[in-house]
Amino acid sequence: DIQMTQSPSSLSASVGDRVTIACRASQGISNYLAWYQQKPGKVPKLLISAASTLQPGVPSRLRGSGSGTYFTLTISGLQPEDVATYYCQNYNSVPFTFGGGTKVEIK
Amino acid sequence: EVQLLQSGAEVKKPGESLKISCKASGYSFASYWIGWVRQMPGKGLEWMGIIYPGDFDTRYSPSFEGQITISADKIISTAYLQWSSLKVSDTAMYYCARVSESGSSTDPLDPWGQGTRVTVSS
Repeated sequence: DIQMTQSPSSLSASVGDRVTIACRASQGISNYLAWYQQKPGKVPKLLISAASTLQPGVPSRLRGSGSGTYFTLTISGLQPEDVATYYCQNYNSVPFTFGGGTKVEIK
Repeated sequence: EVQLLQSGAEVKKPGESLKISCKASGYSFASYWIGWVRQMPGKGLEWMGIIYPGDFDTRYSPSFEGQITISADKIISTAYLQWSSLKVSDTAMYYCARVSESGSSTDPLDPWGQGTRVTVSS
């Protein structure tokens, strides 16, 4: 199985800050990487597919990058509505494992 | 509009069986893989498995294989997740979600159902 490791597990930043979440795959997955956002008590929402393709309606301050084994999700200009837990997911090969999640809070 | 409507919350005892459902609408049910994801209380997302209703091809995570059964009924556009003997450790929220692209298993999950909370307690 491919292991997905996210870092940090949590972060606290000020409104307007730039934050970066890393996701590392235990073996190469090309760009078969998705990012999801789960707000407290809510259903996960797909933000980014193919490592860097923003889904319709997702703010452009979110950006995904990477390929192979290392990926990042960057939020440029953190907003209060970005408070959530973010998960990466490998969908290159079964099982399509998720990372452990990164909880983002406002300082 | 694509929608996945899951069955309601369940409270069961250890050893009991359970089958929860996920009714799809707004698209050709047989043409898209549909998956199940577990979220234990206060924990992260765990990918359980997926099924292609068109031919019932099913893939399981090794972590869940043998513990659950994923099935589908094309006639009523519904996917299922079932247990034959529940454990306390099966207590969790369970989400169904459609793979975003038609015919492909190697695509992300979008959209998601609202979740079914399963509580197993003696």
